Amino acid sequence: GNSVTQMEGPVTLSEEAFLTINCTYTATGYPSLFWYVQYPGEGLQLLLKATKADDKGSNKGFEATYRKETTSFHLEKGSVQVSDSAVYFCALKQAGTALIFGKGTTLSVSS
Amino acid sequence: DSGVTQTPKHLITATGQRVTLRCSPRSGDLSVYWYQQSLDQGLQFLIQYYNGEERAKGNILERFSAQQFPDLHSELNLSSLELGDSALYFCASSVEQGPDYGYTFGSGTRLTVV
Repeated sequence: GNSVTQMEGPVTLSEEAFLTINCTYTATGYPSLFWYVQYPGEGLQLLLKATKADDKGSNKGFEATYRKETTSFHLEKGSVQVSDSAVYFCALKQAGTALIFGKGTTLSVSS
Repeated sequence: DSGVTQTPKHLITATGQRVTLRCSPRSGDLSVYWYQQSLDQGLQFLIQYYNGEERAKGNILERFSAQQFPDLHSELNLSSLELGDSALYFCASSVEQGPDYGYTFGSGTRLTVV
């Protein structure tokens, strides 16, 4: 079945460091891919998405490119801020199915 | 405010009891999804409703049931509660069912079974 694998956390960075959170997926066909972010005590918020191969999703300085050849959708940000501290979830969706999430990666940014 | 409203925010109940969680989707959204979030299992999809009809089932226990009403709000009923049912329960909504549409999540109901 479909699945999403994220790098284990927590990821601990200093402010202004470069961020990469790895995400790979297993799916039949070509799913749409998403990154969601969950701040402490809140629900999940859509961060960005890509619906076909080679698409790049971007939002708030975060980027991820849909790589069909490596079945990956890694999240990157050039310079993280303390306010980026949260849990990040990679997810996929295909027609007829609900969103399937990875286990989440906790990011902690210190000043 | 995401537009998806979940009540109550917190619930503490005893084993063996029954509770009802409520969700009002974002205005205009016809699909409602329920997820369970726990530390060991992560985010698990439970069930989906679209315009009042059940559309998909995930890892939902037989002790759990849900429905979506004509005004599109949804309720998740959890019965014969066990300690292991303690978790965050999220409701999400979307305007369409297609693969390109992400979901809007509520802030969740934290259920503690003691």
